Amino acid sequence: GAVVSQHPSRVICKSGTSVKIECRSLDFQATTMFWYRQFPKQSLMLMATSNEGSKATYEQGVEKDKFLINHASLTLSTLTVTSAHPEDSSFYICSARDSPLDEQFFGPGTRLTVL
Amino acid sequence: AQTVTQSQPEMSVQEAETVTLSCTYDTSESDYYLFWYKQPPSRQMILVIRQEAYKQQNATENRFSVNFQKAAKSFSLKISDSQLGDAAMYFCAYRSPSGNTPLVFGKGTRLSVIA
Repeated sequence: GAVVSQHPSRVICKSGTSVKIECRSLDFQATTMFWYRQFPKQSLMLMATSNEGSKATYEQGVEKDKFLINHASLTLSTLTVTSAHPEDSSFYICSARDSPLDEQFFGPGTRLTVL
Repeated sequence: AQTVTQSQPEMSVQEAETVTLSCTYDTSESDYYLFWYKQPPSRQMILVIRQEAYKQQNATENRFSVNFQKAAKSFSLKISDSQLGDAAMYFCAYRSPSGNTPLVFGKGTRLSVIA
């Protein structure tokens, strides 16, 4: 199957700093990527849909000024957590849609810890 | 909006036995896709099986099979000959026909396999 990578896999930062998470489709082009957040022992919660070359669509309750999403190319979407606070600590997962296969492939996730 | 319900937070099965995980969903769409994903301790999301709503035949992938009841909006996963490596969180998911729409996940079922 297609491969999606995320970088970094783990990040620890101080409160008030910004953190960027990258999501890359390694062997296919993805016009659409999705960003999810997962709290311990809970399900995946959709944060936003990222479309290449256009603004992301955020789910209700997700602060777009805090969680900046950029999908500048067909293989890369980035999520920047701005002015991070401890409550932003979570596991962030991206998925990318492979149009020909009509399937979404998941990255391995990024664990963010804000001190 | 579509919803997915998994009523079993935890299940356990003896090694080599069979277990069935339940999933129901609610939608007004006539065509859609249903999925079961496995999330092991590594937290990498792995597609287990996929079912297109327009197909009457239940999907099967080796030891994994589904019982898709469209009228009842039910989509259960049967795991036969359970193995220790099957221990994981299992998420049922729904997707609208358009591939650019995100997956809607249930809350998950944690499966333990007893040796």
